Formats: sequence, structure tokens, C-alpha cells
Amino acid sequence: GNSVTQMEGPVTLSEEAFLTINCTYTATGYPSLFWYVQYPGEGLQLLLKATKADDKGSNKGFEATYRKETTSFHLEKGSVQVSDSAVYFCALRDSNFGNEKLTFGTGTRLTIIP
Amino acid sequence: EAEVAQSPRYKITEKSQAVAFWCDPISGHATLYWYRQILGQGPELLVQFQDESVVDDSQLPKDRFSAERLKGVDSTLKIQPAELGDSAMYLCASSTPRGGARDSPLHFGNGTRLTVT
Repeated sequence: GNSVTQMEGPVTLSEEAFLTINCTYTATGYPSLFWYVQYPGEGLQLLLKATKADDKGSNKGFEATYRKETTSFHLEKGSVQVSDSAVYFCALRDSNFGNEKLTFGTGTRLTIIP
Repeated sequence: EAEVAQSPRYKITEKSQAVAFWCDPISGHATLYWYRQILGQGPELLVQFQDESVVDDSQLPKDRFSAERLKGVDSTLKIQPAELGDSAMYLCASSTPRGGARDSPLHFGNGTRLTVT
């Protein structure tokens, strides 16, 4: 079945540091890939997505590239801010009709120190 | 921006009691999902509706959990009887505006945090 493996957390960085959160996946077919962010006390918000190999999703300074050859979708940001502190979830969505559910990784808690 | 509404935000109940959660998706969204998020883990799908029909409830513990979406709009998730291991965040999400793209993103509510004592 489909699965997502995320970098173990928690991750603590200083403001303006470079961020990478690793994500790899196992899936049949050609899934779409997503990063969701969860701020304290809130639901999940879509951060970015990529629907096919070599696509790059980007939003709010975050980027991730769909790498089919390494089955990866690592999240990066060049200069993090305190407001980026949250839990980040990598997820995939099956390409088969009728199976549009998201399968999530376990999440990575990110804390940015001023 | 339209939101997915969930209530209550917090619920504390004793084990063996019944508990219910309510979700109102974004207007016009045909697909509704209930996820369970145990502390420190990613969300796991419990049930998926397409309009009023269940399309995936393979991970729903049917001996104690039930879900309905009678008119294809809002939805209720019920647990009876609650067990200690049911303590978690229950998230509702919706997607797929009718006539829209099948791969439209999921929009999540803020969840109901359940504590079973």
C-alpha cells in the first residue's frame, strides 16, 4: 500500500537558517504529493503541491520538487522565520479514480529560535 | 475564504459513554473526509463520503464508530462506547466542488480534540 516516511523531529533552527525536511514515499502509479502545515490549535493547511515528476511546488518561500527517481519530495526554505514554527506533514494522493484520500507522514515539528 | 466548520472544539468524556462530532464542509464540496490524528502522528483516514455515499470506510472501527452524511452536506461521526484509546484529534476535510477537478485540494477544519477518561 501507499506510505510516506518523514524526517524524524523535532527540528530546532535559528532564524534565517536554511531548512530541509526530508520526505520519501512508496506508491503504485503516479501519485500527487503535498506538504501541509499545522499551526498550534489549528487544522492542516495546504502549503504546496506537485502533481507529476519534476514539478516544483512553491509557496511562502518554501519549495519542494517531485523526484520520481528517488521517490522523494523534500521541503526546503532558504531563510526561516519564527512564524514558520509549526508541524509539517508530507502526504501523497493516489492517482487511481475513487481513491482520492491523502496518506500522511508522521509529521515534523519545527521550532525557530529568534 | 470559506472554511470547514467543526464542533465541538474540545470534548471530554468518560469511557463507555457515547460521543458525537459534527462537520459542515465548504459549500458545494461533494467529498467529505473524517481523519483521526493521534498525538505525535499523522492523520489517518477513517471514512470518505462522496455526496451521501460512503466510498471508503476500511479503517473505521465499525463495532463502535459510525458516520453519516444523510443529505450530502454536513456529517456526524459517532463513537459508542468510547474507549481510552480513542483520545485523539478528529479532523474533517472537504474537497471537490461539484463539477470541479477530481484532484482539488483538501480543506481541513480545526478539529475536535477528544479526551476519554
